[in-house]
Amino acid sequence: NAGVMQNPRHLVRRRGQEARLRCSPMKGHSHVYWYRQLPEEGLKFMVYLQKENIIDESGMPKERFSAEFPKEGPSILRIQQVVRGDSAAYFCASSPRRLAETQETQYFGPGTRLLVL
Amino acid sequence: AQSVAQPEDQVNVAEGNPLTVKCTYSVSGNPYLFWYVQYPNRGLQFLLKYITGDNLVKGSYGFEAEFNKSQTSFHLKKPSALVSDSALYFCAVRDMRYGGSQGNLIFGKGTKLSVKP
Repeated sequence: NAGVMQNPRHLVRRRGQEARLRCSPMKGHSHVYWYRQLPEEGLKFMVYLQKENIIDESGMPKERFSAEFPKEGPSILRIQQVVRGDSAAYFCASSPRRLAETQETQYFGPGTRLLVL
Repeated sequence: AQSVAQPEDQVNVAEGNPLTVKCTYSVSGNPYLFWYVQYPNRGLQFLLKYITGDNLVKGSYGFEAEFNKSQTSFHLKKPSALVSDSALYFCAVRDMRYGGSQGNLIFGKGTKLSVKP
C-alpha cells in the first residue's frame, strides 16, 4: 500500500513563473491537507480539501495561491508568479475520512522543496 | 490563541541515556496531541498520539509521551536513546476551531535531537 505521493520532490522556479505541486493521497483516502514549512520553522496549515471541495482555506495566502482536488487525479497546489519568499517545503497529508469522526491520523508525503531564484 | 511550544531548539543526549523532548500546548477543550519525526529531506513520520484514555502513550521505535492536563504538556520520552534517533521532532495539536472537525494540525517549531555515540 503506497503512502502519500508528492511530485516533484524538488522544483526550481524563477521569480514570476508558476509552480504546480501534486499530491496523490494514500489509497482510500479522500481528504487532503496542504502545509508549508519555511526554513527553521514548523509546518503551517494552508488548506484542507475533500474530493471536489475546498473545506477550509484559512491558511492560504489571499493572492497567487490556489488548490484543487478533482474527482479524478491528484490534488494540486498552484502558486502563480512565484516570489523568493515562496521558497519552502510544501507537504501534503491525507486521511481516509473527516477526522472529527474518527481517531485516525494524518499521513504525510515526502514533500516538495520549492526554490525560487 | 491556539499554539504549541517546543522550548528547546536542540537536545543533545549520549547514546544509551534517556531522552526527553518537551512540548506544551494551548487549545480550547480537550486536546488531540501528536508527535511526528522528520529525517533530513524526508516527510513527517507519525510517532504517537493522545486522543483520550491513559495519560502515558506508547508509540513507534520505543518512544512514549505523557499527557499532563494540569501542566498542558505532552513531553516525548525514550528510556535509552540511539544514534539513529537523531532527527527533527515536531509536536502538534489538532486545531479545535469548529470543534476540531477540520482535522488540521498546529505544529511547534520543532526540536532537533542529536544523539552522540
